[in-house]
Amino acid sequence: GALVYQYPRRTICKSGTSMRMECQAVGFQATSVAWYRQSPQKTFELIALSTVNSAIKYEQNFTQEKFPISHPNLSFSSMTVLNAYLEDRGLYLCGAPWGYEQYFGPGTRLTVL
Amino acid sequence: GDSVTQTEGPVTLSEGTSLTVNCSYETKQYPTLFWYVQYPGEGPQLLFKVPKANEKGSSRGFEATYNKEATSFHLQKASVQESDSAVYYCALSATGGYKVVFGSGTRLLVSP
Repeated sequence: GALVYQYPRRTICKSGTSMRMECQAVGFQATSVAWYRQSPQKTFELIALSTVNSAIKYEQNFTQEKFPISHPNLSFSSMTVLNAYLEDRGLYLCGAPWGYEQYFGPGTRLTVL
Repeated sequence: GDSVTQTEGPVTLSEGTSLTVNCSYETKQYPTLFWYVQYPGEGPQLLFKVPKANEKGSSRGFEATYNKEATSFHLQKASVQESDSAVYYCALSATGGYKVVFGSGTRLLVSP
């Protein structure tokens, strides 16, 4: 079956430092990967949609300068949160579409001290 | 842009009672509609999806009908259990699953 893994599951970083998280698709080809953030007590906001061999499209309020994304092949994507501050804390999800639905990983929970 | 609005929680019920979580959506396209469930510390899990208007989706006793005329996709369950306690998200994708728009989530608390 189609599965999406994310690493790490939880991480803590100091304010002003950066943190990289990874997303791996298993059992299918992830031509596109969507990254979302769920801030505390909120819903999931789309950060960006990355498609292999195409430009990464960021949503309003999210930038490449803050959330650079790499998507080098059909099974792997990574995103970095640069200069993380308190407002960046939350659950970061990656999702990859397959068969008209999106398969989500379990998320990386980021705590910023 | 696309949007999803759902019942504001928390919804508190006793075991054995019925559940309805309202969901309405806005889009100019032809979306697939989803219900996801999220347990503490985890990502959202697909409960079920319905790609076509006037069809019903169901799983684990939960069901919802894609009502295109009313632009609604209400979640129902006849008899809830304590293990159903979780946050439920209504969502849509009008891009073949490439982008999913989530509602704000409804926390369900079921007491024994």
